[in-house]
Parts: sequence; C-alpha cells; structure tokens
Amino acid sequence: EAQVTQNPRYLITVTGKKLTVTCSQNMNHEYMSWYRQDPGLGLRQIYYSMNVEVTDKGDVPEGYKVSRKEKRNFPLILESPSPNQTSLYFCASKQEEANEKLFFGSGTQLSVL
Amino acid sequence: SQQGEEDPQALSIQEGENATMNCSYKTSINNLQWYRQNSGRGLVHLILIRSNEREKHSGRLRVTLDTSKKSSSLLITASRAADTASYFCAPRRTGGGNKLTFGTGTQLKVEL
Repeated sequence: EAQVTQNPRYLITVTGKKLTVTCSQNMNHEYMSWYRQDPGLGLRQIYYSMNVEVTDKGDVPEGYKVSRKEKRNFPLILESPSPNQTSLYFCASKQEEANEKLFFGSGTQLSVL
Repeated sequence: SQQGEEDPQALSIQEGENATMNCSYKTSINNLQWYRQNSGRGLVHLILIRSNEREKHSGRLRVTLDTSKKSSSLLITASRAADTASYFCAPRRTGGGNKLTFGTGTQLKVEL
C-alpha cells in the first residue's frame, strides 16, 4: 500500500532534549516536506527536499534540521526542543512534477514541556 | 507566502444539504488543490483544478475556479456525517516551483 509513515504518533519530551521524528515513503517520490499545524495558523511548511541531498527552508525553519540521505526517508530533527515547538507535525511527499498531489503521513503530536 | 484563505472558517449543516466553501488567493496560479483533514489526521487530496479549467467534478464534489477573481469554490452535494472534516485549498503559485502552502481551512460539521 502506498503510504507515508511517520513515527512516533505521539511524543512528550522536555525542553532541550534532542529528538527525531522519522518519515518514510514507499512511493519513490522525489519531493518530501515537513509541515507543522497550529490552531489558528493552519499548516506551515518547515523544510522540504526536492531529492536526495537537496533540502531547503520553508516558512518556519528555525529550530529544526532535516536530512535526505536516502530517497525514501526524510527525518525531522529538533536539536534543542522548546515549548513553542509543541505542535502537530506532518510529513508529506509527492512526485517531482509540480502538478502532482501531496500524500500526507498520519501526523506526530509533539508536546515539549 | 502565497496561500489560500478559506471562507467560512466554520460551517454547520444538516445531512443531505449541500456544503459550499470558498478559497481566495492573491497571485497567479498554475493549479489549485483541495484537501480534506479528518480530526488530527493527515490531509487527503480531493481534487486538483488547473488554471485553464473552470469547473471539475469528482463524485459528489464540484470545484470551480475563477482566475479573474482569484477564487475557487468547493461544493459537496448531498452531504453525509462522514464529510465532517476540515477542508483546505492550496493554490500553486506560478513560478513557485513545488511549494504548496495551506491556509487555516474551513471546518465543516454535518449533523444527522
């Protein structure tokens, strides 16, 4: 089944403790992206990647890192999480062509205490 | 950044009624996509309309696009309780490459 898999689904951590949210897709998509969703602010793009070893900042990249060493994986790294990074995170992927639709993961609810 | 603004923010209707939600955007676009999000879950693609199209249908969904007004509408006919969700439009800006941005959505509630 074609899907984008995020893990974990829920995560509670404390300020400053490094964490990684994993994202994997099995559709051989070139493009992958991370979004965060906050009440009243909609979905905001954090980082995206056009292909292996090609990443770029989205609208709210501060405090986040990503890597794209393999085509299928696009982990989101929070080196030193802070409470304002408490949010619902989504990974998404699609074919490179601009008209293609995005496939979303099920989301990761992160709470930073 | 270019993003669609959905209107209304919230909509409550009875099962069987039609639901219409609107999207406005600011710049020229290549296409516009609509997505649905069930509570707390990932977005699911519903339909894509290209800038040279005026209307598109998919099952009970009808999407229109008016590029002169920079607006789109999504009509769900004969709504069901299972249509309860948030709906987002995502305009793809001309020259914006692969970037796809989302607004805050329309929260639709279909009551029995």
